[in-house]
Amino acid sequence: EAGVAQSPRYKIIEKRQSVAFWCNPISGHATLYWYQQILGQGPKLLIQFQNNGVVDDSQLPKDRFSAERLKGVDSTLKIQPAKLEDSAVYLCASSPLTGRSPLHFGNGTRLTVT
Amino acid sequence: GESVGLHLPTLSVQEGDNSIINCAYSNSASDYFIWYKQESGKGPQFIIDIRSNMDKRQGQRVTVLLNKTVKHLSLQIAATQPGDSAVYFCAECRSTDSWGKLQFGAGTQVVVTP
Repeated sequence: EAGVAQSPRYKIIEKRQSVAFWCNPISGHATLYWYQQILGQGPKLLIQFQNNGVVDDSQLPKDRFSAERLKGVDSTLKIQPAKLEDSAVYLCASSPLTGRSPLHFGNGTRLTVT
Repeated sequence: GESVGLHLPTLSVQEGDNSIINCAYSNSASDYFIWYKQESGKGPQFIIDIRSNMDKRQGQRVTVLLNKTVKHLSLQIAATQPGDSAVYFCAECRSTDSWGKLQFGAGTQVVVTP
């Protein structure tokens, strides 16, 4: 099966600019996640969707980050305005069930904020 | 706060030897544990998981051991190969959290030498 697709692979922006990342989960996967992975650290969950609804966004910095999954398939994560500390890899993951199924991760978008 | 952590940041292993990667967790409410492998430039890849009602689980060349008494998790890789070189993360999921809200440790870099 095709994996989780993310684009772009790399993005370099200046601070205070905006940026958007796109994710296409594995076909049929109802649950979608965005994780942030700062260099040298493990991933940290930002937001979880179940179909087109938000399940958990408690760790999303809502003053600058937003995410949507309007049709319950693809998702976009936006940062506006970006800060230097937002430099990280943004990983999208999906899973087929709400039960305990392993997450399938994409290869991420590496963001550098200068 | 409560977190998942790893004992060793870097593990150097000779090709053909067995590898053991350790992980400590502090929250007894965690009931599901997962090991992920992350190669450079890629997203985390699921290796093996274990639920808290088990002590041991085996996969292909990998074994995960869970010691709930001392809150310790380990990943054993048999006959380590060059392709096993990567960063390994343990992650936990707490039954009180929404599924997919994985708490990752910082990771252990495994380097396989010839």
